[in-house]
This record gives sequence, C-alpha cells and structure tokens, in this order.
Amino acid sequence: DGGITQSPKYLFRKEGQNVTLSCEQNLNHDAMYWYRQDPGQGLRLIYYSHIVNDFQKGDIAEGYSVSREKKESFPLTVTSAQKNPTAFYLCASSRQGGDTEAFFGQGTRLTVV
Amino acid sequence: AQSVTQLDSQVPVFEEAPVELRCNYSSSVSVYLFWYVQYPNQGLQLLLKYLSGSTLVKGINGFEAEFNKSQTSFHLRKPSVHISDTAEYFCAVMRRTGGFKTIFGAGTRLFVKA
Repeated sequence: DGGITQSPKYLFRKEGQNVTLSCEQNLNHDAMYWYRQDPGQGLRLIYYSHIVNDFQKGDIAEGYSVSREKKESFPLTVTSAQKNPTAFYLCASSRQGGDTEAFFGQGTRLTVV
Repeated sequence: AQSVTQLDSQVPVFEEAPVELRCNYSSSVSVYLFWYVQYPNQGLQLLLKYLSGSTLVKGINGFEAEFNKSQTSFHLRKPSVHISDTAEYFCAVMRRTGGFKTIFGAGTRLFVKA
C-alpha cells in the first residue's frame, strides 16, 4: 500500500541533544513538507521541498534542518537550538501542482525531558 | 499572503444533530480550498476539496462544504453527526499559482455527545 511512514511515533530528547525524525513516502510524490502542531495553533510549516536536493524554509525553520537526498525521504533534525521542541510533528507529501491535496503521515510526538 | 480563520475552536453537539464548522479565508490571489480531519494522535486526512465548478462540494463521511466567493468562506456541514465524527477539523487554502504551500487554520474540535 502506498503512503507516508513517520518514525518513531514517540520520541524523547534530553535538552541539548539533536534528534532526527524520519519520513518516507512511496507515493512517488515530488513535494514533501514538515509541519509542527501545537494545541490551538493549527499546523505551522517548518520546511518544504519540491524536488530532490532542494528545500526551502517555512514559517518556523529556526532550530530545524532537513535534507532531501532521495525523492522518497525527507528527514527532519530538531537541533539543540530549537528552544521549545516539544510538539507533534507531521510530515506530508503531494504531487506537484496546486490542485492536489497533501497526504500525511501518522506523526511523531517529540517530548523534551 | 493567505490566511485562514476558523471561527470556533470547539463545537459541542449532540449525536444526530446537524453541525456547521465555519471557515473564512483571506487571499489576494485565487486559491484552492480544503477540509481535513484529524483523529487523536494521527495525521490528517482529506475530507473534501474545492478546485472549481459547483460551489457545493461533497466529501467523505457525509460531509459537504459550500464555497462562497463574495464572503470568502468555506463552511463545512453535516446534517446528522455520529459519535465517530468526534475529531479536529482543519480548513486549508493553497494558492493556484506561484507555489503550492498549504496554509492551515487553527482547527475546530468537534465533540459529539450521546
């Protein structure tokens, strides 16, 4: 079955550590996105990529980094520079073209301990 | 720039009653419009979308939405809700040209009571 897989589902990080969230898709989509979800704030865009080896900052990119070395994969690293990383992180993908919806993974809940 | 306002953060409703979740958007360019649903601790899934044509759009699970260009609204409706409709609902817009970022509203939590 085609879809988007995020791992792990739950992740705990000590302060000062970098952690990497995995996102893999087998939908053959060109575009991939990372969102952060906090209660009452909807989804905020962290980074997005419309093609391999290229990505752009979203609205809240500070403290995060990404790579897009393969079409199927778009990992997100939450660095120690991110001051408030505890949140629910969602990865999504879509075909190129504006008339298509985004397909989402099941999310990763990151907690700083 | 685009923005999306969901007018109610929470909507409690009794089972089998009708419901309307309100969404207004702002954009200087033409946009596509979407409604997504999110069940607890899961990702989002598409309910319905408006691309063009008829302003009344039907989606999954008995939901429908009406695009009103003059009022820049895209309200979601269901004539009779079930307990299983309890979830968070997000309205979203995407500009038709010049980039395909999706902008989401803050979400409306629908709580269906028995």
